[in-house]
Amino acid sequence: QVQLVESGGGVVQPGRSLRLSCAASGFTFNNYAVHWVRQAPGKGLEWVAVISYDGSKEYYADSVKGRFTISRDNSKNTLYLQMNGLRADDTAVYYCAKSIFRRSVTTNPDYWGQGSLVTVSS
Amino acid sequence: QSVLTQPPSASGTPGQRVTISCSGSTSNIGSETVNWYQHLPGTAPKLLIYSNNQRPSGVPDRFSGSKSGTSASLAISGLQSEDEADYYCAAWDDSLNGVVFGGGTKLTVL
Repeated sequence: QVQLVESGGGVVQPGRSLRLSCAASGFTFNNYAVHWVRQAPGKGLEWVAVISYDGSKEYYADSVKGRFTISRDNSKNTLYLQMNGLRADDTAVYYCAKSIFRRSVTTNPDYWGQGSLVTVSS
Repeated sequence: QSVLTQPPSASGTPGQRVTISCSGSTSNIGSETVNWYQHLPGTAPKLLIYSNNQRPSGVPDRFSGSKSGTSASLAISGLQSEDEADYYCAAWDDSLNGVVFGGGTKLTVL
């Protein structure tokens, strides 16, 4: 069955960096775009970024553009989110999620991981 | 302020039918398909409806989705206590080049 397991979250000071990882299994990873979506405490879901199945296309929410970078290693079935210049309002649970349809980057997620908590605080 | 607009709350008694609306624009719902998710705190969001009205295997047929123009809705019939959760609509936005979510609707089963 599809499994997505996030790791790398923790407490970090404002302005510092953090890298999240998402290990995927149970599907052909290199056939699907993958997303990062976050949920701040007491707030709704907010889409962060998506990367195409082959890594050739990346799209970002305006709130993270220029600070966050999504990447993938298809040889390791792993998705990454490099987060630089972290701010207090980046505090959230970060989910990785697989796209529904093969080889399409403009589709919504279907399967989601359990999430990794990132807390930005001094 | 979310790009897609949902009511913040909804409620119903066991056995009732409840609908949750989701309003967008021509760049998202008007031109792309809509998904619906169920989310319980501390768990992974679960896909309920994709491509406007399709149910993944394992999702009960009590859940149904529809779309008309720039709006979509999720209907839950035969409401059960375990349906108490947050529900989100989502669609790709061609202008923003990203997925947009509704603000979420908290469903309470009275």
